[in-house]
Amino acid sequence: SAVISQKPSRDICQRGTSLTIQCQVDSQVTMMFWYRQQPGQSLTLIATANQGSEATYESGFVIDKFPISRPNLTFSTLTVSNMSPEDSSIYLCSGRLGTGTDTQYFGPGTRLTVL
Amino acid sequence: KQEVTQIPAALSVPEGENLVLNCSFTDSAIYNLQWFRQDPGKGLTSLLLIQSSQREQTSGRLNASLDKSSGRSTLYIAASQPGDSATYLCAVRSSGGYQKVTFGTGTKLQVIP
Repeated sequence: SAVISQKPSRDICQRGTSLTIQCQVDSQVTMMFWYRQQPGQSLTLIATANQGSEATYESGFVIDKFPISRPNLTFSTLTVSNMSPEDSSIYLCSGRLGTGTDTQYFGPGTRLTVL
Repeated sequence: KQEVTQIPAALSVPEGENLVLNCSFTDSAIYNLQWFRQDPGKGLTSLLLIQSSQREQTSGRLNASLDKSSGRSTLYIAASQPGDSATYLCAVRSSGGYQKVTFGTGTKLQVIP
């Protein structure tokens, strides 16, 4: 199994600023992902965080707005840049130990409010 | 493109009732399906994982079934308790590419004491 932690757990930010969210996994996971959950909505995949290379973004998400780093197998960051109130969401980090039959694990989420 | 739908969107039942949550998906080329629970303001807790080759999985009062050919899964909760109140999400992992996981719309369950 894997335990995923995120920092910060919540933040309130001003419009136009940026916030970096950290994700730490207690196991070496082959794949890490970042999701967004807007108020009252389900989860939407933002991107797959690739170790040592650029993240793979889903349609509607771009690197300039959501830069992602993954320097090793257990750590990743997501930055929400030039924030607007529409970015107010819960951001969740997720990890998978390997391909195939394994479970996907989630962090507790970071609740972001943009004023 | 995989689309995952959950019905009903919300459900309110008295304590002790058995209940069924439904999940349907459009693309049957899946690797597995996972049911999660989410409490208000919290992250996701994995409940059950069903591989594409399996028909069902059980854990305690929970039983999840999978009919891949018809694109359906159900989560059965026996003898519901107030502590079961949460939003339940199903997530489908596609079998191709990097095995993208697509989440359903969720069912918000309230169990009334």
